Amino acid sequence: DQQVKQNSPSLSVQEGRISILNCDYTNSMFDYFLWYKKYPAEGPTFLISISSIKDKNEDGRFTVFLNKSAKHLSLHIVPSQPGDSAVYFCAASLIQGAQKLVFGQGTRLTINP
Amino acid sequence: DAGVIQSPRHEVTEMGQEVTLRCKPISGHNSLFWYRQTMMRGLELLIYFNNNVPIDDSGMPEDRFSAKMPNASFSTLKIQPSEPRDSAVYFCASSFRPDRGPKGYTFGSGTRLTVV
Repeated sequence: DQQVKQNSPSLSVQEGRISILNCDYTNSMFDYFLWYKKYPAEGPTFLISISSIKDKNEDGRFTVFLNKSAKHLSLHIVPSQPGDSAVYFCAASLIQGAQKLVFGQGTRLTINP
Repeated sequence: DAGVIQSPRHEVTEMGQEVTLRCKPISGHNSLFWYRQTMMRGLELLIYFNNNVPIDDSGMPEDRFSAKMPNASFSTLKIQPSEPRDSAVYFCASSFRPDRGPKGYTFGSGTRLTVV
């Protein structure tokens, strides 16, 4: 039972345009959401997070939107840069600060020059 | 700071053989996590330790998998006997509690396991 789903295995975007990565979850008890970025041959690194009391969190070029009623979150990258090419994982936890995360399958983002 | 160190980086073994994956967490971190990455399921938490004590091993797929943390600077994940469906990338991560929670995870570079 995949509680966190990323239905797009891959996404290709032109440099300078907006990249939108999507994530759906099934457990309504999830209270905290995170995005991780992973380059080849490296471990994932934390990118941005959002608590369920918010619907938007912004950090530079990265913005995460949360729609609790739809159990959906998205990561927007504007403008996209070649260095953004990586695999992006969505993750969720029951409470902020919880040790245990549930991850999605990941979306491979390719930024084309 | 050398980060989380995993060894080996790559492991190819025959079905039925024992496989041991190793992890050295960041010094001072007192939580350690083992994850497995597959195409179908993404990153799955297998087990995690706090202060060397296993807290949650509900993600360990079956009895063929075992994990130990004999001290604060070393952990192993063992698969015996290994099967082709165990082929995946295995990540170790560590963190310090209390901290920002999952934001504070530092992942190792992973071990790519291939069972033939």
